[in-house]
Amino acid sequence: GENVEQHPSTLSVQEGDSAVIKCTYSDSASNYFPWYKQELGKRPQLIIDIRSNVGEKKDQRIAVTLNKTAKHFSLHITETQPEDSAVYFCAAPVSGTYKYIFGTGTRLKVLA
Amino acid sequence: EAGVAQSPRYKIIEKRQSVAFWCNPISGHATLYWYQQILGQGPKLLIQFQNNGVVDDSQLPKDRFSAERLKGVDSTLKIQPAKLEDSAVYLCASSFRPGAEKLFFGSGTQLSVL
Repeated sequence: GENVEQHPSTLSVQEGDSAVIKCTYSDSASNYFPWYKQELGKRPQLIIDIRSNVGEKKDQRIAVTLNKTAKHFSLHITETQPEDSAVYFCAAPVSGTYKYIFGTGTRLKVLA
Repeated sequence: EAGVAQSPRYKIIEKRQSVAFWCNPISGHATLYWYQQILGQGPKLLIQFQNNGVVDDSQLPKDRFSAERLKGVDSTLKIQPAKLEDSAVYLCASSFRPGAEKLFFGSGTQLSVL
């Protein structure tokens, strides 16, 4: 059935280090993979997304990689800063429908 | 552009009472979603509208939850009667069209059921 697994659930890194969050999905027909950032008490906001016709996409310090064979995609944040501290959610659409399934979230803490 | 508007921002009720939430999506967005986010979890889709029609409500507890989007713009989500386990943040989101599209979220309504 529909499932998106996200790891780790919490992640602490020193400022300036890199952070990697991974999601695994079950629907091989999924074709769009967004990542949302949710700061404490605020709404989720899209930070980067990737479509299934590419393997990697970068936007400054943020990148997303997609491995369709293994059915996983990862968020990479380089040179982390305290303002990167938040909960990050991945999502994947359910084929044959128009809905997304969200992962369980990763709480990232960047230590100054 | 104006974002997705939701109200109220906070609501505290006792169990078995009823409550309603309101959402106004971004102008021109045909697709509207209601998500339930329990503390420490990812958003869970309750219902999805395309214009004023329901696309998916498979995870909506229909014995107590109802939602409508009568004119294809604003939407209301109602819970009657509320249970303790309904305590959560209710997020409304919209997108220009359904499918592989960026979602724009509202600030949410934080519901506490005592």
